[in-house]
Amino acid sequence: NAGVMQNPRHLVRRRGQEARLRCSPMKGHSHVYWYRQLPEEGLKFMVYLQKENIIDESGMPKERFSAEFPKEGPSILRIQQVVRGDSAAYFCASSPGTGPPYNEQFFGPGTRLTVL
Amino acid sequence: LAKTTQPISMDSYEGQEVNITCSHNNIATNDYITWYQQFPSQGPRFIIQGYKTKVTNEVASLFIPADRKSSTLSLPRVSLSDTAVYYCLVGDAGNTDKLIFGTGTRLQVFP
Repeated sequence: NAGVMQNPRHLVRRRGQEARLRCSPMKGHSHVYWYRQLPEEGLKFMVYLQKENIIDESGMPKERFSAEFPKEGPSILRIQQVVRGDSAAYFCASSPGTGPPYNEQFFGPGTRLTVL
Repeated sequence: LAKTTQPISMDSYEGQEVNITCSHNNIATNDYITWYQQFPSQGPRFIIQGYKTKVTNEVASLFIPADRKSSTLSLPRVSLSDTAVYYCLVGDAGNTDKLIFGTGTRLQVFP
C-alpha cells in the first residue's frame, strides 16, 4: 500500500507566478490535510478536505491560496501570485477518519517551494 | 485545544534511554495524547497514542499519570537514527480535524 504521495518534491517559482502542489492520499483515505512548515518551526495547519468538500480552512490565508480535493484525482493546493514569504515546505497528510488510533494522519514527503 | 509544553532540545548518546516529558495542564476528558516523530526533510510520522497509564509498542512507551496533566515518551536504547524532532499533541478522540503542532523537542543522539 503506497504511502501519501506528493509532487513535485521541489518547486521553484518567481514572484508573481502560480504554484500548484499535488497530493495523492493513501488508498482508502478520504480525509486530506495540508500543512505548511517554515525552517526550524512546527507544522501549521492550513486546510482539511474530504472528497469535493472543504471541511476546515481556518489556517488558509484569505487571499491567493486555494485547495481542492475532487471526486477523481489528487488534492491540489494552489498558490497564486507567489511571494518570497510563501517559501516553505508544504506537507499533505491523509487519514481514514476512523480509529483508534484517533485522528492518525499519514504524511507525505512534502513539497519544498522556493520563491525567487 | 489543550496547549502542550515540551523541552526545546535534548542530547543523548547511543544505547541510552531517552525520556521526553510534555505538559498539558488543561487536557480535556475526551482528549488523547499522541506523539509524532519528524526526521529532517520528511513529514511527521505517528509514534504512539494513549489516554492514561502506560502504552507500549515496538518503537516507544508512553507513560501518563493519573491526573493526565503530563505525559512522558520513552525511547529505549536510542541509536543515531533516532535523531529527530518529537512532537507531543493533544486532541479530542472524536475530532478528525487538524493536528496542532508545537515547536517539538529536537533530540540529538551522539555516538
